[in-house]
Amino acid sequence: DAMVIQNPRYQVTQFGKPVTLSCSQTLNHNVMYWYQQKSSQAPKLLFHYYDKDFNNEADTPDNFQSRRPNTSFCFLDIRSPGLGDAAMYLCATSRSGTAGTEAFFGQGTRLTVV
Amino acid sequence: GENVEQHPSTLSVQEGDSAVIKCTYSDSASNYFPWYKQELGKGPQLIIDIRSNVGEKKDQRIAVTLNKTAKHFSLHITETQPEDSAVYFCAASKGGSQGNLIFGKGTKLSVKP
Repeated sequence: DAMVIQNPRYQVTQFGKPVTLSCSQTLNHNVMYWYQQKSSQAPKLLFHYYDKDFNNEADTPDNFQSRRPNTSFCFLDIRSPGLGDAAMYLCATSRSGTAGTEAFFGQGTRLTVV
Repeated sequence: GENVEQHPSTLSVQEGDSAVIKCTYSDSASNYFPWYKQELGKGPQLIIDIRSNVGEKKDQRIAVTLNKTAKHFSLHITETQPEDSAVYFCAASKGGSQGNLIFGKGTKLSVKP
């Protein structure tokens, strides 16, 4: 059974047109992450929610925003997508602790900007 | 902040041979070291992990070793099979609200039949 579900799997958007990617989880994890992964590169953390607290990475562009209306759902909003934003976007969840814990990834959303 | 280096970037082996991928980390506070396998077009999947209080962990054909003093850890795959072909990422984490997973750059493993 899928535990971290991302929709859609593939998204095509026009240059400059706002787009929203969604993620839901059935694990009841308190931490949710959004990663950007470009071709042949490692996942790059954009931001994460630790419970309701939003944590933005220092180098994440302002063009990227996120919302977490409840424990189960998290959204990634790209306000004005550019060609350089074409990538795989990965959502992940984990249960927080004093030590690191496993992160569960969704299957990703492949974003194409035309 | 944490920095994770991973080598090699590509690795090609013959079916049945062993494969070894190595990673080093910089933050001595990191205490959790997972390995993820990513197949084309899919999200990363955890294959094995190790915590800082353990030196070695094995799961069938896969093993991970950790040297805390040297700050490096390695993935060992024995009796490789074509379905092991994928990109493998190591990562490090220290927990807490800012202890997010930091990934290495990945190793593309090709197993030739």
